Amino acid sequence: QKEVEQDPGPLSVPEGAIVSLNCTYSNSAFQYFMWYRQYSRKGPELLMYTYSSGNKEDGRFTAQVDKSSKYISLFIRDSQPSDSATYLCAMSASGANSKLTFGKGITLSVRP
Amino acid sequence: EAQVTQNPRYLITVTGKKLTVTCSQNMNHEYMSWYRQDPGLGLRQIYYSMNVEVTDKGDVPEGYKVSRKEKRNFPLILESPSPNQTSLYFCASWPLAVLAGANEQFFGPGTRLTVL
Repeated sequence: QKEVEQDPGPLSVPEGAIVSLNCTYSNSAFQYFMWYRQYSRKGPELLMYTYSSGNKEDGRFTAQVDKSSKYISLFIRDSQPSDSATYLCAMSASGANSKLTFGKGITLSVRP
Repeated sequence: EAQVTQNPRYLITVTGKKLTVTCSQNMNHEYMSWYRQDPGLGLRQIYYSMNVEVTDKGDVPEGYKVSRKEKRNFPLILESPSPNQTSLYFCASWPLAVLAGANEQFFGPGTRLTVL
């Protein structure tokens, strides 16, 4: 079993939909969780960074961590065509300044 | 302008010919890291460095070397490249302080390497 699993998709939704992206993990030592967005031919950019369990909201984006289930989610409300990108989750036991393990990424397409 | 630069951006080489991909940042960041990205495998960390002369292995360090002699530079060295190292490589840097937002992480533009 891989340490981090992410549904590879792709995922296509209409504009305005609520999008739910998920990752599961097997390493119970992971405490730091990140979501990245990557546009085609660009480097990743950090969207959300959370520690331990709970929710974190930033505009239309909400990151949710359930450590008991080893499950993290990224919700995108009122999705826009500009949200079309690949989304990657990443995790670490010791913080963003140590070894990071990424999911494979899921490609999201938001149809106008 | 705050940025991470990588050179070269594109490289085609042959098996066994040593090469170096340079990475440089102008933000005085302590942390730097190298990743490779492959279709179906996502992003995988190769090496990272928390400061000068401090480096550590990521998930896929085999076949790669790094050095951190200066804070701004973090070159990736392939002593004897092989075709399975054909990939898209990203360098990144950010400060050691706890991240508060996306504008604190910087990724380079990527280097597309082909090993024949």
